[in-house]
Amino acid sequence: NAGVMQNPRHLVRRRGQEARLRCSPMKGHSHVYWYRQLPEEGLKFMVYLQKENIIDESGMPKERFSAEFPKEGPSILRIQQVVRGDSAAYFCASSPPGGPRENIQYFGAGTRLSVL
Amino acid sequence: QQQVKQSPQSLIVQKGGISIINCAYENTAFDYFPWYQQFPGKGPALLIAIRPDVSEKKEGRFTISFNKSAKQFSLHIMDSQPGDSATYFCAAMTDYKLSFGAGTTVTVRA
Repeated sequence: NAGVMQNPRHLVRRRGQEARLRCSPMKGHSHVYWYRQLPEEGLKFMVYLQKENIIDESGMPKERFSAEFPKEGPSILRIQQVVRGDSAAYFCASSPPGGPRENIQYFGAGTRLSVL
Repeated sequence: QQQVKQSPQSLIVQKGGISIINCAYENTAFDYFPWYQQFPGKGPALLIAIRPDVSEKKEGRFTISFNKSAKQFSLHIMDSQPGDSATYFCAAMTDYKLSFGAGTTVTVRA
Protein backbone atom coordinates (compact mmCIF):
# COMPACT_ATOMS: atom_id res chain seq x y z
CA ASN A 1 0.00 0.00 0.00
CA ALA A 2 2.03 2.89 -1.32
CA GLY A 3 1.85 6.16 0.55
CA VAL A 4 1.62 9.63 -0.91
CA MET A 5 4.19 9.83 -3.70
CA GLN A 6 5.84 13.09 -4.61
CA ASN A 7 8.32 13.72 -7.38
CA PRO A 8 10.83 14.91 -7.94
CA ARG A 9 12.32 14.78 -4.45
CA HIS A 10 14.74 17.56 -5.28
CA LEU A 11 14.34 20.19 -7.97
CA VAL A 12 16.80 22.90 -8.92
CA ARG A 13 15.67 25.78 -11.06
CA ARG A 14 17.19 29.06 -12.15
CA ARG A 15 15.33 32.28 -11.57
CA GLY A 16 12.64 32.76 -14.20
CA GLN A 17 12.17 29.07 -14.97
CA GLU A 18 9.07 27.03 -14.25
CA ALA A 19 8.81 24.38 -11.54
CA ARG A 20 6.32 21.51 -11.74
CA LEU A 21 5.80 19.41 -8.64
CA ARG A 22 3.80 16.19 -8.80
CA CYS A 23 1.79 14.38 -6.16
CA SER A 24 0.05 11.03 -6.40
CA PRO A 25 -2.30 10.54 -3.43
CA MET A 26 -2.67 7.32 -1.55
CA LYS A 27 -4.83 4.72 -3.25
CA GLY A 28 -8.49 5.50 -2.68
CA HIS A 29 -7.86 9.06 -1.56
CA SER A 30 -9.69 11.82 -3.37
CA HIS A 31 -8.63 14.88 -1.37
CA VAL A 32 -5.25 16.51 -1.95
CA TYR A 33 -3.61 19.34 -0.02
CA TRP A 34 -0.41 21.25 -0.71
CA TYR A 35 1.69 22.84 2.04
CA ARG A 36 4.91 24.83 1.91
CA GLN A 37 7.63 24.67 4.54
CA LEU A 38 10.22 27.41 4.73
CA PRO A 39 13.46 26.76 6.64
CA GLU A 40 12.97 26.71 10.42
CA GLU A 41 9.21 27.12 10.05
CA GLY A 42 6.14 24.93 10.23
CA LEU A 43 4.12 23.93 7.20
CA LYS A 44 1.76 26.53 5.73
CA PHE A 45 -1.43 25.54 3.92
CA MET A 46 -1.53 26.47 0.25
CA VAL A 47 -4.41 24.74 -1.51
CA TYR A 48 -7.01 22.00 -1.17
CA LEU A 49 -8.23 20.10 -4.22
CA GLN A 50 -10.59 17.32 -5.09
CA LYS A 51 -10.65 15.64 -8.47
CA GLU A 52 -11.00 18.37 -11.13
CA ASN A 53 -11.92 20.97 -8.51
CA ILE A 54 -10.03 23.56 -6.50
CA ILE A 55 -11.87 23.78 -3.20
CA ASP A 56 -9.73 26.33 -1.37
CA GLU A 57 -6.68 28.16 -2.70
CA SER A 58 -6.58 30.83 0.00
CA GLY A 59 -2.98 30.00 0.91
CA MET A 60 -1.62 30.27 -2.62
CA PRO A 61 0.28 33.38 -3.68
CA LYS A 62 -1.92 35.33 -6.09
CA GLU A 63 0.59 35.27 -8.92
CA ARG A 64 2.80 32.61 -10.53
CA PHE A 65 1.37 29.70 -8.51
CA SER A 66 -1.32 27.32 -9.72
CA ALA A 67 -2.51 23.83 -8.84
CA GLU A 68 -4.60 21.18 -10.48
CA PHE A 69 -5.85 17.68 -9.76
CA PRO A 70 -7.09 16.23 -13.04
CA LYS A 71 -9.47 13.33 -13.44
CA GLU A 72 -6.56 11.14 -14.43
CA GLY A 73 -3.03 11.48 -13.16
CA PRO A 74 -1.30 13.19 -10.29
CA SER A 75 -1.94 16.57 -8.76
CA ILE A 76 0.43 19.24 -10.08
CA LEU A 77 1.68 22.35 -8.31
CA ARG A 78 3.11 24.75 -10.88
CA ILE A 79 5.29 27.72 -10.08
CA GLN A 80 6.02 30.01 -13.01
CA GLN A 81 8.98 32.37 -13.22
CA VAL A 82 10.48 31.13 -9.96
CA VAL A 83 12.29 33.52 -7.65
CA ARG A 84 14.77 32.78 -4.85
CA GLY A 85 12.03 33.24 -2.26
CA ASP A 86 10.22 30.20 -3.70
CA SER A 87 13.00 27.95 -2.37
CA ALA A 88 11.29 25.70 0.16
CA ALA A 89 10.04 22.19 0.77
CA TYR A 90 6.63 21.57 -0.74
CA PHE A 91 4.56 18.82 0.82
CA CYS A 92 1.49 17.13 -0.51
CA ALA A 93 -1.02 15.36 1.72
CA SER A 94 -4.07 13.28 0.93
CA SER A 95 -7.13 12.04 2.77
CA PRO A 96 -9.84 9.56 1.84
CA PRO A 97 -13.41 10.36 0.77
CA GLY A 98 -15.94 10.98 3.51
CA GLY A 99 -15.02 14.50 4.44
CA PRO A 100 -11.58 15.91 5.25
CA ARG A 101 -12.67 16.90 8.75
CA GLU A 102 -13.04 13.30 9.73
CA ASN A 103 -9.89 11.99 8.23
CA ILE A 104 -6.20 12.16 8.82
CA GLN A 105 -4.01 13.86 6.25
CA TYR A 106 -1.15 11.64 5.15
CA PHE A 107 1.93 13.45 3.94
CA GLY A 108 4.39 12.65 1.21
CA ALA A 109 8.15 13.02 1.58
CA GLY A 110 8.10 16.42 -0.09
CA THR A 111 9.83 18.15 -2.99
CA ARG A 112 12.71 20.38 -2.05
CA LEU A 113 12.90 23.25 -4.51
CA SER A 114 16.08 25.25 -4.80
CA VAL A 115 16.10 28.38 -6.93
CA LEU A 116 19.54 29.55 -8.04
CA GLN B 1 0.59 35.42 11.62
CA GLN B 2 1.28 32.22 13.54
CA GLN B 3 -2.04 30.70 14.57
CA VAL B 4 -0.36 28.03 16.70
CA LYS B 5 2.57 28.99 18.92
CA GLN B 6 4.98 26.20 19.84
CA SER B 7 7.78 26.05 22.39
CA PRO B 8 10.57 25.35 22.97
CA GLN B 9 12.32 25.65 19.61
CA SER B 10 14.66 22.85 20.59
CA LEU B 11 15.39 20.63 23.54
CA ILE B 12 17.94 18.06 24.58
CA VAL B 13 17.00 15.19 26.87
CA GLN B 14 18.88 12.22 28.21
CA LYS B 15 17.83 8.73 27.24
CA GLY B 16 15.03 7.65 29.55
CA GLY B 17 14.01 11.22 30.33
CA ILE B 18 10.78 13.07 29.57
CA SER B 19 10.42 15.50 26.66
CA ILE B 20 7.68 18.12 26.96
CA ILE B 21 6.56 20.35 24.10
CA ASN B 22 3.91 23.02 24.53
CA CYS B 23 1.52 24.67 22.10
CA ALA B 24 -1.04 27.44 22.38
CA TYR B 25 -3.73 28.64 20.02
CA GLU B 26 -6.26 31.46 19.77
CA ASN B 27 -8.83 30.29 17.24
CA THR B 28 -11.65 28.56 19.14
CA ALA B 29 -12.90 27.08 15.86
CA PHE B 30 -10.04 24.56 15.90
CA ASP B 31 -11.50 21.13 16.62
CA TYR B 32 -8.73 18.63 15.99
CA PHE B 33 -5.20 18.77 17.37
CA PRO B 34 -2.62 16.38 15.87
CA TRP B 35 1.08 16.06 16.54
CA TYR B 36 3.42 15.19 13.70
CA GLN B 37 6.93 13.76 13.82
CA GLN B 38 9.37 14.61 11.05
CA PHE B 39 12.79 13.12 10.40
CA PRO B 40 15.31 14.95 8.20
CA GLY B 41 14.44 14.61 4.53
CA LYS B 42 11.08 13.03 5.26
CA GLY B 43 7.50 14.21 5.37
CA PRO B 44 5.59 14.72 8.61
CA ALA B 45 4.04 11.55 10.01
CA LEU B 46 1.04 11.61 12.33
CA LEU B 47 2.06 10.64 15.84
CA ILE B 48 -1.01 11.16 17.99
CA ALA B 49 -4.08 13.41 17.92
CA ILE B 50 -6.81 14.66 20.23
CA ARG B 51 -10.20 16.33 19.99
CA PRO B 52 -11.16 19.11 22.43
CA ASP B 53 -13.75 17.04 24.29
CA VAL B 54 -10.94 14.97 25.82
CA SER B 55 -8.35 16.28 28.28
CA GLU B 56 -5.73 13.60 27.80
CA LYS B 57 -4.82 10.89 25.33
CA LYS B 58 -2.05 8.33 25.68
CA GLU B 59 -0.55 6.06 23.08
CA GLY B 60 2.43 4.09 24.24
CA ARG B 61 5.11 6.52 25.40
CA PHE B 62 3.34 9.54 23.90
CA THR B 63 0.70 11.55 25.78
CA ILE B 64 -1.24 14.65 24.76
CA SER B 65 -2.58 16.88 27.51
CA PHE B 66 -5.29 19.32 26.42
CA ASN B 67 -6.56 22.37 28.33
CA LYS B 68 -9.51 23.80 26.45
CA SER B 69 -10.08 26.78 28.75
CA ALA B 70 -6.44 27.85 28.49
CA LYS B 71 -6.30 27.00 24.77
CA GLN B 72 -3.13 25.04 25.32
CA PHE B 73 -2.00 21.52 24.59
CA SER B 74 1.22 19.65 25.10
CA LEU B 75 3.05 16.51 24.07
CA HIS B 76 4.89 14.40 26.61
CA ILE B 77 7.36 11.79 25.43
CA MET B 78 8.10 9.40 28.26
CA ASP B 79 11.23 7.25 28.48
CA SER B 80 12.76 9.16 25.54
CA GLN B 81 14.91 7.06 23.18
CA PRO B 82 17.59 8.09 20.67
CA GLY B 83 15.18 7.04 17.89
CA ASP B 84 12.81 9.77 19.08
CA SER B 85 15.30 12.41 17.93
CA ALA B 86 13.28 14.33 15.35
CA THR B 87 11.35 17.54 14.82
CA TYR B 88 7.88 17.58 16.32
CA PHE B 89 5.10 19.81 15.07
CA CYS B 90 1.85 20.52 16.82
CA ALA B 91 -1.06 21.44 14.59
CA ALA B 92 -4.66 22.50 14.81
CA MET B 93 -7.39 21.92 12.28
CA THR B 94 -10.58 23.72 11.38
CA ASP B 95 -12.54 22.28 8.49
CA TYR B 96 -9.70 20.83 6.43
CA LYS B 97 -6.89 23.31 7.05
CA LEU B 98 -4.04 22.32 9.30
CA SER B 99 -2.21 25.20 10.99
CA PHE B 100 1.19 24.11 12.19
CA GLY B 101 3.43 25.32 14.96
CA ALA B 102 7.01 26.22 14.07
CA GLY B 103 8.38 22.91 15.31
CA THR B 104 10.55 21.62 18.15
CA THR B 105 13.77 19.78 17.43
CA VAL B 106 14.25 17.06 20.03
CA THR B 107 17.65 15.48 20.57
CA VAL B 108 17.85 12.43 22.80
CA ARG B 109 21.36 11.79 24.14
CA ALA B 110 22.32 8.19 24.78
